[in-house]
Amino acid sequence: GAGVSQSPRYKVAKRGQDVALRCDPISGHVSLFWYQQALGQGPEFLTYFQNEAQLDKSGLPSDRFFAERPEGSVSTLKIQRTQQEDSAVYLCASSRDRNYEQYFGPGTRLTVT
Amino acid sequence: GENVEQHPSTLSVQEGDSAVIKCTYSDSASNYFPWYKQELGKRPQLIIDIRSNVGEKKDQRIAVTLNKTAKHFSLHITETQPEDSAVYFCAAGPMNTGFQKLVFGTGTRLLVSP
Repeated sequence: GAGVSQSPRYKVAKRGQDVALRCDPISGHVSLFWYQQALGQGPEFLTYFQNEAQLDKSGLPSDRFFAERPEGSVSTLKIQRTQQEDSAVYLCASSRDRNYEQYFGPGTRLTVT
Repeated sequence: GENVEQHPSTLSVQEGDSAVIKCTYSDSASNYFPWYKQELGKRPQLIIDIRSNVGEKKDQRIAVTLNKTAKHFSLHITETQPEDSAVYFCAAGPMNTGFQKLVFGTGTRLLVSP
């Protein structure tokens, strides 16, 4: 079946612009996670949704980062007033439920110039 | 919070040799340990995982061992092939206590030379 998909795959933003990154989880997957992966590093947890409820946002680096999943399916990660330090790959993962394996999307590479 | 250390950062082997990657974790509440393979520019792919109620798990050429007392776990790849070349990440997190808030290691770049 179709895996996790993300769009856009690449995004270049000028410093100060707002960006929105989309994640389509595997159909029927209840849990959805966002991670940030800096160059040469492992993914770092940003936030977690169970259906439409955002149950943990402890990894979001600042209040410029905002995530939503209004209908419990597609999720959007929004970054306002982008800064150079926001440049990274943003990965989305989904799992069947909270205690199952996580499957990752291909990521969105964000470059802030 | 949880901290995961991974060694080595790079590993070069000849085709057919075995490769071992080691990780340690700090939080005794962690009980789920997946391993992901990430090729350049691609998504992390789950290759094997282990839960703390077992000490070893095998899947063809890949095996993972877990020592809960010492808080370390390892990935073993036997009969390596050039297509095994990638970055491998270990991770640790709680299972059955809420959700998998995974903490990842910094990765091991494995290069298998023909």
